[in-house]
Amino acid sequence: EDKVVQSPLSLVVHEGDTVTLNCSYEVTNFRSLLWYKQEKKAPTFLFMLTSSGIEKKSGRLSSILDKKELSSILNITATQTGDSAIYLCAVEANDKIIFGKGTRLHILP
Amino acid sequence: ETGVTQTPRHLVMGMTNKKSLKCEQHLGHNAMYWYKQSAKKPLELMFVYSLEERVENNSVPSRFSPECPNSSHLFLHLHTLQPEDSALYLCASSQDLRINYGYTFGSGTRLTVV
Repeated sequence: EDKVVQSPLSLVVHEGDTVTLNCSYEVTNFRSLLWYKQEKKAPTFLFMLTSSGIEKKSGRLSSILDKKELSSILNITATQTGDSAIYLCAVEANDKIIFGKGTRLHILP
Repeated sequence: ETGVTQTPRHLVMGMTNKKSLKCEQHLGHNAMYWYKQSAKKPLELMFVYSLEERVENNSVPSRFSPECPNSSHLFLHLHTLQPEDSALYLCASSQDLRINYGYTFGSGTRLTVV
């Protein structure tokens, strides 16, 4: 059974801290791994990762895929209150998308 | 299984056909959503239902018609679709509309319009 597991499920840190969110997967016929940020109803796309070891960056956010370990991490440096959200990891495999349950991140001012 | 079940998993339909996608959840959630995932595009929210009432419709063409007969079931009725409607259609549910509770997604229905 294909599955995507995110950890931690929730995280509370102070503004300025750096956080690392984890996503691991067990799927057959892996195609890509996606990270989304969810503040409103529609998740906001962050990254799509297909190749192992290549870091993708966007401002204070970065992500990398490790196909050997079947996992990915999402890093956020110098966190701000606006980073508070649910971060979703999803994996495309076997012509479907499997979502993790998300990590609920709360940044304290 | 996530608790949100979508059927069928795959659907191929002609432009003159009428078909329906089904979503079912037994998580006790009160809100359900339809999303469209096109190739290489982010998720697009289509419809939102809360307690069986439609609360949001994001300018979706009328050839897509949602139905929510009860809090556990959500349908997307399709008619006279276009090839550009081919996509992965995802259903999701949440405890209610407040973001704090997070979402549970189904695995999607891969729709191909020919």
